[in-house]
Amino acid sequence: EIVLTQSPGTLSLSPGERATLSCRASQSVTSNYLAWYQQKPGQAPRLLIYDAFTRATVIPDRFSGSGSGADFTLTISRLEPEDFALYYCQQYASSPMTFGQGTRLEIK
Amino acid sequence: EVQLVESGGGLVQPGGSLRLSCAASGFPFFNNWMTWVRQAPGKGLERVAYINEHGYETYHVDSVRGRFTISRDNAKNSLYLQMNSLRVEDTAMYYCVKGIGFFDAWGQGTLVTVSP
Repeated sequence: EIVLTQSPGTLSLSPGERATLSCRASQSVTSNYLAWYQQKPGQAPRLLIYDAFTRATVIPDRFSGSGSGADFTLTISRLEPEDFALYYCQQYASSPMTFGQGTRLEIK
Repeated sequence: EVQLVESGGGLVQPGGSLRLSCAASGFPFFNNWMTWVRQAPGKGLERVAYINEHGYETYHVDSVRGRFTISRDNAKNSLYLQMNSLRVEDTAMYYCVKGIGFFDAWGQGTLVTVSP
């Protein structure tokens, strides 16, 4: 089973700043089958990025994904107030599919 | 617009049963794999089960295998999760999700609480 470790656990930033969230896999994620989700309190997760760097439908271009192998990054170029939420990475390259434990992005 | 609407959650005692349903619309349900994902209170995400387009291939995570059964009715555009022998640790929000790899559509979830 591929274990995904997200860091940091909590990230405190201000609107307008750049956010960099990390997702490290215990082994290589083949074909870069990695996704990122955003979850706000009381809501279901929302797909942001799939296949490591492809933005999902209607996701603003301030969200970008990068990385390969076992190291992946979600970058939010300029934080908007609505971006403060919980973020999960997920690998779907290897069975069983697994999620990271999440990074909480909070307002500083 | 893709819509997934779950129902059937509630409070149940350990050892009890529930049947979750998910009504799908806005996409060709018969042509899509479907998944149930759960999230315990304050915890992360866990895939519980998935099913192929025709219902012939299913998967259940080890912790629920033999107790939960995923199924579907393509004529009714509906997905189901039969949950038997429920345990306290099954307490979670259960989401109906489109897909098997990455998940591009989620329902709002239905809460299952297992408590004496």
